Formats: sequence, C-alpha cells, structure tokens
Amino acid sequence: DADVTQTPRNRITKTGKRIMLECSQTKGHDRMYWYRQDPGLGLRLIYYSFDVKDINKGEISDGYSVSRQAQAKFSLSLESAIPNQTALYFCATSEQGRGADNEQFFGPGTRLTVL
Amino acid sequence: KNQVEQSPQSLIILEGKNCTLQCNYTVSPFSNLRWYKQDTGRGPVSLTIMTFSENTKSNGRYTATLDADTKQSSLHITASQLSDSASYICVVSRGWANNLFFGTGTRLTVIP
Repeated sequence: DADVTQTPRNRITKTGKRIMLECSQTKGHDRMYWYRQDPGLGLRLIYYSFDVKDINKGEISDGYSVSRQAQAKFSLSLESAIPNQTALYFCATSEQGRGADNEQFFGPGTRLTVL
Repeated sequence: KNQVEQSPQSLIILEGKNCTLQCNYTVSPFSNLRWYKQDTGRGPVSLTIMTFSENTKSNGRYTATLDADTKQSSLHITASQLSDSASYICVVSRGWANNLFFGTGTRLTVIP
C-alpha cells in the first residue's frame, strides 16, 4: 500500500470546520475510491471516480464532496465537519476493466476526529 | 437485503495453532468473494479471490473455501504466526467495482 498514500494520517478538528483529505497513487490506476470505516461496521463507499472526468456518489455521500484533480490524485472534503464524521477514512485504487474482479489497493488510512 | 456477516468477531489463539474464520453472505447476484487482511493502522490487503466456480483458493498458509450454494466462505489459517494478528475482512461483489459489500471483520490475535 506504499503506492497509495494519504495525507494527513491523523487529524483532529472542531465541528463546523472544513477539512480536506488527500490521496495520491503511483500505481497508474484509473479508478479511485473513498471509504470510511467505523467500529462494528464494514467499510462503506463514500465516492468513487473511474477517470479524471468522472465522479460518482457512493452509499454515504451526504456531507462529503470530492475532487479528482488528476489521474493520480483524489481528494475528499468535509465542508462542515460534524462529530459523527469521526472515523477512519481509506482511499483505494483499482485498474480499469474487468469490473469488480480487479483488486482494490488501499492506502494506510486517515484517522479523523471531529470534536 | 445484501449483507455480509462474519464470525467470530474476535479470536485469540496460541502461536502455531490453526484457526478458521467464517463468512456468510446474502449478496445477490454474486460475482466474487475476497478475503482481506488489515493490520492495525494499515489499509486492507487482498489475500484471496474466488469466483462462483471456485471452491478453494490458497495463499501460503491461508486457504479460503467457498460454497456458493449455501453462500458461505471460510478462511483457514495454518500454523499461525504472531504476524497473523490482524483483522480479516470478507468482501462480496455483485459484479461492479462500486458495488462491494464488506463484512465487519474478525479480529485475530495470536499470542506466544
């Protein structure tokens, strides 16, 4: 997962603040994803992008927005952070084609705490 | 409802022992099932993938089985090592990259 990097790794912020989480990849993959992981729940998809001009909502997109600045970069923003957005956030990438047979490669995660 | 359930939630075993983790799913249509290993503070890493026609798949000391009729999968770890301590996540796909269903994971702790 060194090919997929996330910054910051940890962030503590206050309610109402705007936060941006960044993801970069050197795998050359077209497809990128943002997930959140909460204790006792499986990973849930927030947004995904199949190429630079493509942005799609996932299961839990409310309160989040994304930007695909380049093939290698996919950022997640919380416009006005709230405490229930406290979670572990993962970026992932996969190759184009062959649908879900393609393995998703995950970054190391960003632990976000909203006070 | 498409769901993936894993058991047990947590497991502690002695180094060198074997263990089996379970995954039951109701996802339909079924495309494939992956087992991921997630070390503490790291992202998940794929261990195995199985499609509908595959009954078993091995990756070193990890062996996954799939019974598509009963919608059950298991991950068997042989001769456990301390480095096997991690969460193991079962992920079922309906056939699209944006349509994955994640289990909540089994937290395995291997003690000396």
